[in-house]
Order: sequence, then C-alpha cells, then structure tokens
Amino acid sequence: DQQVKQNSPSLSVQEGRISILNCDYTNSMFDYFLWYKKYPAEGPTFLISISSIKDKNEDGRFTVFLNKSAKHLSLHIVPSQPGDSAVYFCAARVGTGNQFYFGTGTSLTVIP
Amino acid sequence: ETGVTQTPRHLVMGMTNKKSLKCEQHLGHNAMYWYKQSAKKPLELMFVYNFKEQTENNSVPSRFSPECPNSSHLFLHLHTLQPEDSALYLCASSQLQGRNTIYFGEGSWLTVV
Repeated sequence: DQQVKQNSPSLSVQEGRISILNCDYTNSMFDYFLWYKKYPAEGPTFLISISSIKDKNEDGRFTVFLNKSAKHLSLHIVPSQPGDSAVYFCAARVGTGNQFYFGTGTSLTVIP
Repeated sequence: ETGVTQTPRHLVMGMTNKKSLKCEQHLGHNAMYWYKQSAKKPLELMFVYNFKEQTENNSVPSRFSPECPNSSHLFLHLHTLQPEDSALYLCASSQLQGRNTIYFGEGSWLTVV
C-alpha cells in the first residue's frame, strides 16, 4: 500500500519555463512533507519542505504548494535550468516520528 | 557533501560472499537508517536506529544484518545474497525531534553475481 504517489514517471520542460512536479498522498495524518532531488549514482539531496500548517513555502526558484483537502502537493521550479534535470522524490512523515514515506520519483528533463 | 558518508560506493559480490557496507554521519543526528532503492520502486525502508537502538525492521531477510555501534556509525552486513538484492543501498540520518529532515549518503551500488 503506497501512501505517497507520484503518478508521472517523467516530465520534459524547456529551459526557462516552469516545471511542475506533483505528488499525492493518502494518509491524512501526514504533517510534514519534503522534496528531494537525485542525480544518477548519487543519494537524494534535500531540496525543500513544508509543514501542514502552511500551504506554500518558497526557496529561490523552488516553491512547494500543499493542498491538504486534496491531499496533494506540488513542486514548482521557475525558471527551469538544464542542471535541474534529475529525479525528484516527494516524501511525507507523520508527527515527529522517523518513518518517512517516499514516492517513486519523477524524472525531470530540462531541454536547453 | 551531505554529512553522511558511505563506503564502498560500488560493490560486486558473489552469492556466497560476506561483505559489509559502512555509513558514518557527521551531523550530530541521533537516528540512522538503511534504505534500498531498486529500479522503478519507491525507496524501501529497511532498518531504523534511534540512539543506536533498532526500532524498525521492515521484514528484511536475515541475510541483511545491521549493526549500529554508536549514533554516528551504521553498518549493513551482507551474506548469501541473491541476484535480486542488487540495488542502491542508501544510508540516511536525522534528528528525532522537531521538524526533522532526513539526509542521505551517496549510496552504495551493490551487484550480486
């Protein structure tokens, strides 16, 4: 039973445009959400997070939006750059525990 | 540099070998994890250690044996593995309290032949 889902395995975007990566979850008890970026042959690196008490968090070109009623979060990258090409994972956690649930990832390709 | 170091980065082993993966974190965290990543699957949590005590074992076969001698070091001992165990093994660490974020090492690519 996969509690965090990324339904788009891949996404291609032109350089300079907006990339929107989506994530859906089923557990309404999740209260902390994270996005990770992964290059081939490397471990995931933390990108940005959001607490369930917020609906938006911004860090430079990266913005995460949370829609609790829809159990949906998204990561916006504006403007997209070729170096953003990677696999992006969303993750969620309940409370202050250390059980993190990950999606299967979306492979983003930014075309120069 | 994420503060979580894994060695070796690549390992090829036969099904009758015994080997170990090593992880060290320099972040002052008190929880450490082993995850497995196989192609087209979500990250699978294998083991969790809080303050060097194992708190999770997600039905992992006994051919994988973790060891956590202190809160900075974590090992994964491997023996009599199967070819389907070939995957990227990721170590991670986090704080237990607060809005903890989990930080990953670069992973150890394991190929079982």
